[in-house]
Amino acid sequence: DADVTQTPRNRITKTGKRIMLECSQTKGHDRMYWYRQDPGLGLRLIYYSFDVKDINKGEISDGYSVSRQAQAKFSLSLESAIPNQTALYFCATSGGTRMTHEQFFGPGTRLTVL
Amino acid sequence: EDQVTQSPEALRLQEGESSSLNCSYTVSGLRGLFWYRQDPGKGPEFLFTLYSAGEEKEKERLKATLTKKESFLHITAPKPEDSATYLCAVWGALQGAQKLVFGQGTRLTINP
Repeated sequence: DADVTQTPRNRITKTGKRIMLECSQTKGHDRMYWYRQDPGLGLRLIYYSFDVKDINKGEISDGYSVSRQAQAKFSLSLESAIPNQTALYFCATSGGTRMTHEQFFGPGTRLTVL
Repeated sequence: EDQVTQSPEALRLQEGESSSLNCSYTVSGLRGLFWYRQDPGKGPEFLFTLYSAGEEKEKERLKATLTKKESFLHITAPKPEDSATYLCAVWGALQGAQKLVFGQGTRLTINP
């Protein structure tokens, strides 16, 4: 079973709709992240959370909100989707010992906003 | 502001033809440099972490090296299954706990 799972894997929606993307992890990590990936722009950080009570904005948080329901669950919401939010969305986790700081990514959600 | 630039954007090699990918960075206090592999439509897969200049890490046909200004990912005798986009990311002192800045990646194609 995958350590980091994302649902749905693909979603097509219309402008103005509310969308929630979900992320779950079984790695036992305390830190979770949401990124979006666009061709030519690389991975950009939307929000991150270091524990259930800690939520922080990334470089492109406008138009998005998040919820950390539990240590293992981190959801991303688009309150009113717009076409330029069409992208690949990735959840990532990190944690563990002091000497290992890499982030582990989920399989991604491909979101299309018409 | 921390920045990462990867070159080339795309690279085509013949099977067995060794080469290197470059990751140039500017960062205020490097805490770590990370290499990832990404296959089309999938999430990035962690390869290596490098922490200080002079450090090297190896995994199968891949070897990552680090200087004070750049990192190289050397690919020795590549096979078609090494075809992927390779991403470099840095963690700098100004970023706070483990916020990574990613480069745009190098798309590597290995022809049989």
